[in-house]
Amino acid sequence: EIVLTQSPGTLSLSPGERATLSCRASQSLITGYLAWYQQKPGQAPRLLVYAASTRAAGISDRFSGSGSGTDFTLTISRLEPEDFAVYYCQQYDTAVTFGPGTKLDIK
Amino acid sequence: EVQLMESGGTLVKPGGSLRLSCVGSGFSFSSSAMNWVRQAPGKGLEWVASMTSSGTHERYADSVKGRFTISRDNAENSLYLQLTDLATEDTAVYFCARGGGSYSYWGQGTLVTVSS
Repeated sequence: EIVLTQSPGTLSLSPGERATLSCRASQSLITGYLAWYQQKPGQAPRLLVYAASTRAAGISDRFSGSGSGTDFTLTISRLEPEDFAVYYCQQYDTAVTFGPGTKLDIK
Repeated sequence: EVQLMESGGTLVKPGGSLRLSCVGSGFSFSSSAMNWVRQAPGKGLEWVASMTSSGTHERYADSVKGRFTISRDNAENSLYLQLTDLATEDTAVYFCARGGGSYSYWGQGTLVTVSS
């Protein structure tokens, strides 16, 4: 099973700042099949990025994904109040697994 | 508008069984791979099971293999998850989600509580 590790566990930032979230896989994702989701309390997850760097439909260009192999990053360029949430990475290279999440909260 | 609506979650005793349903609308259900993902209270996301669009192939997380069964009825635009031999650690919100890799649409979830 491919294990995903996300860091940091919690990230405290202010609106307008840049957020950098990391996701590391226990083995290389040869296909680059890595997605990022945003989840707010009481809501279902929302797909932000798939295939490591492709933004999903309707997602702001403030969100960008990058990376390959075992190291992937989600960057939020200028934080808006609605961006404070939990973010999960998911690999679908070999079966499916999710990372434990990064909580982005307001400083 | 794409919609997914889960139902069937309830309180059940350990060792019990339950069937969850998910009805899709606003998209070609019969052309879509479908999935179940769960989230225990205050915890992260856990993939549970997936099924191809035709229903030919299915796969399961090790934690539920042999106890849960995914199925679908494309004529009814419905996805199902049969849960048996339930344990307290199966307590979670169960989401259905559309997609063959990344999950582009999710339902709001249905809560399954396993407790005596």
